[in-house]
Amino acid sequence: QSALTQPASVSGSPGQSITISCTGSASDIGGYDYVSWYRQYPGNGPKLMIFDVSDRPSGVSARFSGSKSGNTASLTISGLQAEDEADYYCSSYTSSGTLVVFGGGTKLTVL
Amino acid sequence: QVQLVESGGGVVQPGGSLRLSCAASGFTFSRYGMNWVRQAPGKGLESVAFIRYDGTNSYYADSVKGRFTISRDNSKNTVYLQINSPRGEDTAVYYCAKDFHPLVVVPGTLDIWGQGTLVTVSS
Repeated sequence: QSALTQPASVSGSPGQSITISCTGSASDIGGYDYVSWYRQYPGNGPKLMIFDVSDRPSGVSARFSGSKSGNTASLTISGLQAEDEADYYCSSYTSSGTLVVFGGGTKLTVL
Repeated sequence: QVQLVESGGGVVQPGGSLRLSCAASGFTFSRYGMNWVRQAPGKGLESVAFIRYDGTNSYYADSVKGRFTISRDNSKNTVYLQINSPRGEDTAVYYCAKDFHPLVVVPGTLDIWGQGTLVTVSS
């Protein structure tokens, strides 16, 4: 069982917006602004999409945005495209250990 | 460009040993903490080990503590994961990943990942 909880799957049509939630506790998401989001295509390593809750690394599309409220972080993808179909993972710094914790992952399907 | 290339994976018997390597290029390796993250077949990501930029401290997941050892050689721009007494549940793709911020003492954001190396524990 993962430390952070994500929905197993979400779906949307091209052009729509979707949001993936990531729920933790006061020891991780709720206590620190160190939430990251990663995208992973099958057979590939993850790619950083969002860090520090809402910052985008250079080169990541502005269609990707992050936010946090209490113990829940969210990733929003606007203007959905076929290439967005992938697995998405959240992670957070945690006070209960010294390694980052990950969510169980969410499979995004573009209909 | 910034790159991480893992090697050393393969089939290992329960109770055996294996050493994974991760060669880094394109950045000042000695300034960044490094991580090993694994992914069992069809499962999610699990962080298993972290080593400080200067190699003076390391952390492990409870599931591997006492069996896995992370180390680094800053002169060779390489981080290692020694796997001893592996179990079936250690079967996974192992990724090395670089910390985003330099000179940090605990891991946070992982900005560069390798392509992974598969470790299969089987007799």
